[in-house]
Amino acid sequence: QQPVQSPQAVILREGEDAVINCSSSKALYSVHWYRQKHGEAPVFLMILLKGGEQKGHEKISASFNEKKQQSSLYLTASQLSYSGTYFCGTRDTGNQFYFGTGTSLTVIP
Amino acid sequence: DAMVIQNPRYQVTQFGKPVTLSCSQTLNHNVMYWYQQKSSQAPKLLFHYYDKDFNNEADTPDNFQSRRPNTSFCFLDIRSPGLGDAAMYLCATSGGTVFSTEAFFGQGTRLTVV
Repeated sequence: QQPVQSPQAVILREGEDAVINCSSSKALYSVHWYRQKHGEAPVFLMILLKGGEQKGHEKISASFNEKKQQSSLYLTASQLSYSGTYFCGTRDTGNQFYFGTGTSLTVIP
Repeated sequence: DAMVIQNPRYQVTQFGKPVTLSCSQTLNHNVMYWYQQKSSQAPKLLFHYYDKDFNNEADTPDNFQSRRPNTSFCFLDIRSPGLGDAAMYLCATSGGTVFSTEAFFGQGTRLTVV
């Protein structure tokens, strides 16, 4: 039931863009996105509800395709502060919640 | 100001010796969660409360128990810690109903079992 994220890891130069994908085998009610820096707690980025919603948060945005049970996180013009591990979290229609497998993102100067 | 506070930040316990981790919140949120996070893995939900209603995840070992005496406080009890229980334990809260809004995480308690 744990959603699968891709890629597992990515290295970017400052200013480059990235896409992180999250795919579930279950019908979803919502998708959450969090970023966790090493040794710190996860920090909320956004929630997307079913309905094909797309949300934005400065240069970070996301989409949710409920039919495909997938979500994507888009990071544009990356900054050093974007480095960390990104987790999607999926709430399925049975009200179970699982964090995804994680994507390690490193931004270098 | 910290809104979800976990104590202690680091805990060392002996194999088989009961240990309690604590969490408090100033957000007055209905929902509180406990997660276990092992190195290089995603957080794994152990249980959650909606007010006093307790929900234990199906695969949470019986060795793990929880108490929520009031809205502000929640405790995680590990009755007989094994070496495999060494992990970061994260407490989180959210408003609204379970999993419906953003979760606010505490800084975690890193548990070492010796």
